[in-house]
Amino acid sequence: GENVEQHPSTLSVQEGDSAVIKCTYSDSASNYFPWYKQELGKRPQLIIDIRSNVGEKKDQRIAVTLNKTAKHFSLHITETQPEDSAVYFCAVPRYGNNRLAFGKGNQVVVIP
Amino acid sequence: NAGVTQTPKFRVLKTGQSMTLLCAQDMNHEYMYWYRQDPGMGLRLIHYSVGEGTTAKGEVPDGYNVSRLKKQNFLLGLESAAPSQTSVYFCASSYSTSKGGFGTEAFFGQGTRLTVV
Repeated sequence: GENVEQHPSTLSVQEGDSAVIKCTYSDSASNYFPWYKQELGKRPQLIIDIRSNVGEKKDQRIAVTLNKTAKHFSLHITETQPEDSAVYFCAVPRYGNNRLAFGKGNQVVVIP
Repeated sequence: NAGVTQTPKFRVLKTGQSMTLLCAQDMNHEYMYWYRQDPGMGLRLIHYSVGEGTTAKGEVPDGYNVSRLKKQNFLLGLESAAPSQTSVYFCASSYSTSKGGFGTEAFFGQGTRLTVV
């Protein structure tokens, strides 16, 4: 099955600084790369995704970059705010199948 | 439009008891999934379904059964609960792949916190 790894497991940043989380995957046929955010006690929700035919995508303070050769994609959060504190999961589906394999998550803590 | 709704939200079971978790979605999604979430383990797929009347095993299917008799509902059953099944269970649904075979967003229910004592 798909092997999905996230690093670092925990990241603490000062409010206003940037945060970067990296996700590596094993299946070179993977073509869709979403990031989900889960606040404490809540459900995971999609915050940004990217397809394999695009190298970077931005949405206000968040961005995702994809390196297909190295098989990793990263979540970038700029000007971090306390409400960015959460667990972030990357996920990778099998090609032609929307069955998602999730990483173990990154805990991001924004220090006011 | 309620999205994905799970029932119940909390449940405590004794070892050996059985129960069924219900998931309902009103987005006409073809795919439905059951995940369990344990501390430090992320989201692990138990079973999933690609359409009405179909089910398939995920990563951790042992001890669970599922059924999808109607497109909008996906049931997860525990026949004989064990303490190892103490977890938070999430149901999710999505469309099938988009044109070109790309994945699509999964929408999650609010979760069911199950404790087996």
